[in-house]
Amino acid sequence: NAGVTQTPKFRVLKTGQSMTLLCAQDMNHEYMYWYRQDPGMGLRLIHYSVGEGTTAKGEVPDGYNVSRLKKQNFLLGLESAAPSQTSVYFCASRDRGRGYEQYFGPGTRLTVT
Amino acid sequence: GENVEQHPSTLSVQEGDSAVIKCTYSDSASNYFPWYKQELGKRPQLIIDIRSNVGEKKDQRIAVTLNKTAKHFSLHITETQPEDSAVYFCAASNNAGGTSYGKLTFGQGTILTVHP
Repeated sequence: NAGVTQTPKFRVLKTGQSMTLLCAQDMNHEYMYWYRQDPGMGLRLIHYSVGEGTTAKGEVPDGYNVSRLKKQNFLLGLESAAPSQTSVYFCASRDRGRGYEQYFGPGTRLTVT
Repeated sequence: GENVEQHPSTLSVQEGDSAVIKCTYSDSASNYFPWYKQELGKRPQLIIDIRSNVGEKKDQRIAVTLNKTAKHFSLHITETQPEDSAVYFCAASNNAGGTSYGKLTFGQGTILTVHP
């Protein structure tokens, strides 16, 4: 039981390049979330999904797109990376029922030069 | 939307002292308040949480109190140890259904340093 995993762990992009971050969970959770964490700040919600095939915008969605084609996977895409997207990205998942706890992945450190 | 304010931003204590971190929230519909500990380069780790139907919860040296009327909640760490040194985040979410979906709003974090 791996919990929540994220791929890749580190990435360096040049401005304008694109990439996809993968989040996978093996807990059969309905809800999944993407957060970003900048220095000196708490995590901020980018996008979230409440089930396969559904996604919604969070607090800071601009410049990102997401997809949830399979229940266990939640992809975060950057179509044209900008230096302002340099951050640590965390994925989390949660059961839809009575368990409110979110389980976090190990994070992806992204640098855009 | 929800807004969570956390204080202080840094906290320095001597080993064995107590540490208290406070958060306020704005959305009266929030009903779940977790606290996370994050070490450098690691993921946030849930250390304790409280739901809005409870006023206080304790787990060994860690306790959380919630005042729904005032919309604030606090983390209390007693008998601090050097390994408690980390960044601590509070958060709030609404899990009551509808369109809330348990989205977490985080505070800005508190850097706790415990000196031996």
